[in-house]
Amino acid sequence: DGGITQSPKYLFRKEGQNVTLSCEQNLNHDAMYWYRQDPGQGLRLIYYSQIVNDFQKGDIAEGYSVSREKKESFPLTVTSAQKNPTAFYLCASRNNRLSTDTQYFGPGTRLTVL
Amino acid sequence: QKEVEQDPGPLSVPEGAIVSLNCTYSNSAFQYFMWYRQYSRKGPELLMYTYSSGNKEDGRFTAQVDKSSKYISLFIRDSQPSDSATYLCAMSRGSNYKLTFGKGTLLTVNP
Repeated sequence: DGGITQSPKYLFRKEGQNVTLSCEQNLNHDAMYWYRQDPGQGLRLIYYSQIVNDFQKGDIAEGYSVSREKKESFPLTVTSAQKNPTAFYLCASRNNRLSTDTQYFGPGTRLTVL
Repeated sequence: QKEVEQDPGPLSVPEGAIVSLNCTYSNSAFQYFMWYRQYSRKGPELLMYTYSSGNKEDGRFTAQVDKSSKYISLFIRDSQPSDSATYLCAMSRGSNYKLTFGKGTLLTVNP
């Protein structure tokens, strides 16, 4: 059953803690993306990776870090430097070998800072 | 002016109605246009994907793109309560470029 999985579904963090959100895909997609969604704000791009061992900052990368050691995995770390981390985090992937393909999303992780 | 404008609603219609959802944009370089459906507390699901201007139909859904007016639409015929969700428009300059999203329109279809 192919798709994108994100874990955990809900995550609670105390202020000052780093947390890592998992994103795994078995679609054999090269490109992967992290977005943040806030009420009334739409989706904003945090980081993206077009290929293993390479990634670029998106529009709101401050306070976040990523790694892309495997094609299937693109974990996102929310650091203590992120001032307002409470949000819904969405991972997406894309087959960038197809010129007409677009991004497909995982189920999301809801992060709440206590 | 924001790159993509989308009326957040909320939009409430009776079951069976025709629904029209719209986005306007300012960047004439956008070539690829998408509509995603997002149920509450879930990830967005791709509904329609079109390139350049024209219409695309898939079942009860029709996507229209008018590049001359920088305006895209999604029509839902015979709307069902299961269509109740937030609808997000998205667009990009090219297939390897980032997506720019509208803020989403919340639709409720009442039985």
